[in-house]
Amino acid sequence: DGGITQSPKYLFRKEGQNVTLSCEQNLNHDAMYWYRQDPGQGLRLIYYSQIVNDFQKGDIAEGYSVSREKKESFPLTVTSAQKNPTAFYLCASSSPGTGPNTEAFFGQGTRLTVV
Amino acid sequence: GESVGLHLPTLSVQEGDNSIINCAYSNSASDYFIWYKQESGKGPQFIIDIRSNMDKRQGQRVTVLLNKTVKHLSLQIAATQPGDSAVYFCAENRGRGGSNYKLTFGKGTLLTVNP
Repeated sequence: DGGITQSPKYLFRKEGQNVTLSCEQNLNHDAMYWYRQDPGQGLRLIYYSQIVNDFQKGDIAEGYSVSREKKESFPLTVTSAQKNPTAFYLCASSSPGTGPNTEAFFGQGTRLTVV
Repeated sequence: GESVGLHLPTLSVQEGDNSIINCAYSNSASDYFIWYKQESGKGPQFIIDIRSNMDKRQGQRVTVLLNKTVKHLSLQIAATQPGDSAVYFCAENRGRGGSNYKLTFGKGTLLTVNP
């Protein structure tokens, strides 16, 4: 089945550690996105990529890094510079190349907890 | 502050009643809007979308209304069922499509359906 796969579902990080969240899609979508969701809050955009080898900062990029070496993959690294990383992280993809108004499809999320 | 916000953070309805979830947006240049449903611990799922050149769109049991004059969006769910219990988010596309596609989300409304 086509879709977006995030892994792991749960992730625990020690203080000062970098961790990488995986996001893979087989929808042949050009654009991919990372959002952060805190309890009782909406989704805030961390980074997005419209095409391979290119990405842009979102609204809360500090303390995060990404890469887009392959169309299918958009991993997110939460660095030690991110002071409050505990949150639910959502990856999404869309295909704006097929038209300006297409929805984003989401993965099932990774819940990151700092221990 | 948030560009996309909701009037009611929580909504409780009886099974079989109709539900109305509201959303306000502030960017008059936004040209595409989406409603998502998010169940606990899962990623958001697409419900329905609407373009700015429309004021109403209907799906199965759902209707989205767009009032550009007052920058207001609503989601109507007919004959609400227990399975409709979730958090509902509205999202706007602030870009002009194509390479500027970027969704901004509101904080969400928690809908609880009582049997």
